[in-house]
Amino acid sequence: DTEVTQTPKHLVMGMTNKKSLKCEQHMGHRAMYWYKQKAKKPPELMFVYSYEKLSINESVPSRFSPECPNSSLLNLHLHALQPEDSALYLCASSHELTGLYGYTFGSGTRLTVV
Amino acid sequence: TQLLEQSPQFLSIQEGENLTVYCNSSSVFSSLQWYRQEPGEGPVLLVTVVTGGEVKKLKRLTFQFGDARKDSSLHITAAQPGDTGLYLCAGADNAGNMLTFGGGTRLMVKP
Repeated sequence: DTEVTQTPKHLVMGMTNKKSLKCEQHMGHRAMYWYKQKAKKPPELMFVYSYEKLSINESVPSRFSPECPNSSLLNLHLHALQPEDSALYLCASSHELTGLYGYTFGSGTRLTVV
Repeated sequence: TQLLEQSPQFLSIQEGENLTVYCNSSSVFSSLQWYRQEPGEGPVLLVTVVTGGEVKKLKRLTFQFGDARKDSSLHITAAQPGDTGLYLCAGADNAGNMLTFGGGTRLMVKP
């Protein structure tokens, strides 16, 4: 298995809703990442997990809450989002934290906040 | 802060033409990666270059890493509509920094 699987593919949520994005990989990668990508822009790093521990939080608002239940799973819990949080949310993984040989990205979750 | 500048930002060409995308930095990288991203999908890794001066070929795509490991280029020969997408370069170092992405080049190949 050489894929990163993200669910759901699309999500529409209201500003008072609570939802979660899920990411799964079975490549034995020990580093996992959440990125946010706005239209026509490169991905922006949000969170980094290394060996199931939160390594980096790029000053992301607390309405985004990451969780790494085990080495294969990564969740992003969403609560009280704003319309400007609408974006493509990408999960990625790599063998090691430096990403020397590249990241494997999932297909993303297209999030719309209404 | 490490920066990777990509140029051009946008390129619209006819099928069959050649093109080159550049990725430049003042920082030295341990490796340079190129990704292609189609609308609504995640970036897909095309190639990783790790040795200064290295050249890699992937069918009609040629990737080069600069001798000083500060820059890279992607050349596409005889572009096809299927090459349309966002091309991203990304640099990795050994100094504990996360992957640095360039701003992207949006390529449109018209039939």
